[in-house]
Amino acid sequence: EDKVVQSPLSLVVHEGDTVTLNCSYEVTNFRSLLWYKQEKKAPTFLFMLTSSGIEKKSGRLSSILDKKELFSILNITATQTGDSAIYLCAANAGNNRKLIWGLGTSLAVNP
Amino acid sequence: KAGVTQTPRYLIKTRGQQVTLSCSPISGHRSVSWYQQTPGQGLQFLFEYFSETQRNKGNFPGRFSGRQFSNSRSEMNVSTLELGDSALYLCASSFTGWGTSGANVLTFGAGSRLTVL
Repeated sequence: EDKVVQSPLSLVVHEGDTVTLNCSYEVTNFRSLLWYKQEKKAPTFLFMLTSSGIEKKSGRLSSILDKKELFSILNITATQTGDSAIYLCAANAGNNRKLIWGLGTSLAVNP
Repeated sequence: KAGVTQTPRYLIKTRGQQVTLSCSPISGHRSVSWYQQTPGQGLQFLFEYFSETQRNKGNFPGRFSGRQFSNSRSEMNVSTLELGDSALYLCASSFTGWGTSGANVLTFGAGSRLTVL
């Protein structure tokens, strides 16, 4: 059965800390992995990863995919309170390009 | 450009009632997907519509149904509501939809939060 597992499920850090969020996947016919950020509203798109070892970067956020070990990480450096959110990852898989979602990591950044 | 618009944003119903939720996708997007989100289950896929046809369906009972109109706007309906249907219902649109090339980046609406009493 296709599955995506995120860890940790929740995390509390202080402003300025660096955090690493994990996403492992087991899906058939893997196509890509996507990261989304969800505050108290719509999930917003962060990154799409298709190739192993190529880092995607946007400001203080970066992400990388390892297709051999079947995982991705999302790094946030110099965290700010505005980074507090649920971070979701999804694997795009299968002949019908089904999206398999993890449960998310709830990040709280305290001032 | 306008984002994905969902209405209503909040609603309260009682068991046994039915509810209809609406989603207007981004202009030009032909694919609309619906998800149910709860704290314990995460994002659960309900169904996807593309050009007025249901193309994919998740593992939800027949009480959950949907449709898409010629302007790509979509509605979902839940009949005979149960307490367990309380959730955030998210709609997401994309240009390509599933089953086509590309990685299907979805743009989500803010959701409709349904509470069933």
